[in-house]
Amino acid sequence: GAVVSQHPSRVICKSGTSVKIECRSLDFQATTMFWYRQFPKKSLMLMATSNEGSKATYEQGVEKDKFLINHASLTLSTLTVTSAHPEDSSFYICSASPGALARGHNEQFFGPGTRLTVL
Amino acid sequence: KQEVTQIPAALSVPEGENLVLNCSFTDSAIYNLQWFRQDPGKGLTSLLLIQSSQREQTSGRLNASLDKSSGRSTLYIAASQPGDSATYLCAVTGNQFYFGTGTSLTVIP
Repeated sequence: GAVVSQHPSRVICKSGTSVKIECRSLDFQATTMFWYRQFPKKSLMLMATSNEGSKATYEQGVEKDKFLINHASLTLSTLTVTSAHPEDSSFYICSASPGALARGHNEQFFGPGTRLTVL
Repeated sequence: KQEVTQIPAALSVPEGENLVLNCSFTDSAIYNLQWFRQDPGKGLTSLLLIQSSQREQTSGRLNASLDKSSGRSTLYIAASQPGDSATYLCAVTGNQFYFGTGTSLTVIP
């Protein structure tokens, strides 16, 4: 099956620094990539949807200037958490889709997640 | 490595029928289990979250159960509606996030 990787899998940083998380589709071209965030003991929250070559669509309540998303190629999307603070500590998950309605229903392949801890 | 399996892979039912979706996982060392809904061309919509210490959660017509010792969870949908048609995913949180294989549900009017 299709593989999506995320890097790094775990990152610890100091408050005020910026952290970049990469999401790559390894064996297919991802027209659309999704970024999710999971708070401790909470459900998953969709942050934004990015389409290659265009600006990301952010969900309500997600700060665009805080969470910068770049989908510069069909195999790579990046999420940059700018000026990170402890409240940004979370589990971030990306997913990638080769396109809408592939093979009868939307296929989306998920990365393993990145655990961010901001000290 | 955690493996999460959902059965059946696809299900088609007439409107109004009650149905059960199954999710099984191989490693019982989980923090929680979640059920998601995915519509075509959309991201995931979280339906229910069950913490590892809980047995079940309910939201409207949905009821999810968790038996951690046997590595199983079920999602019960009562009085199904055409709008319930979607792909349903379960996912467990351990050291990483593991999604199930998904069940594609079609509710026929």
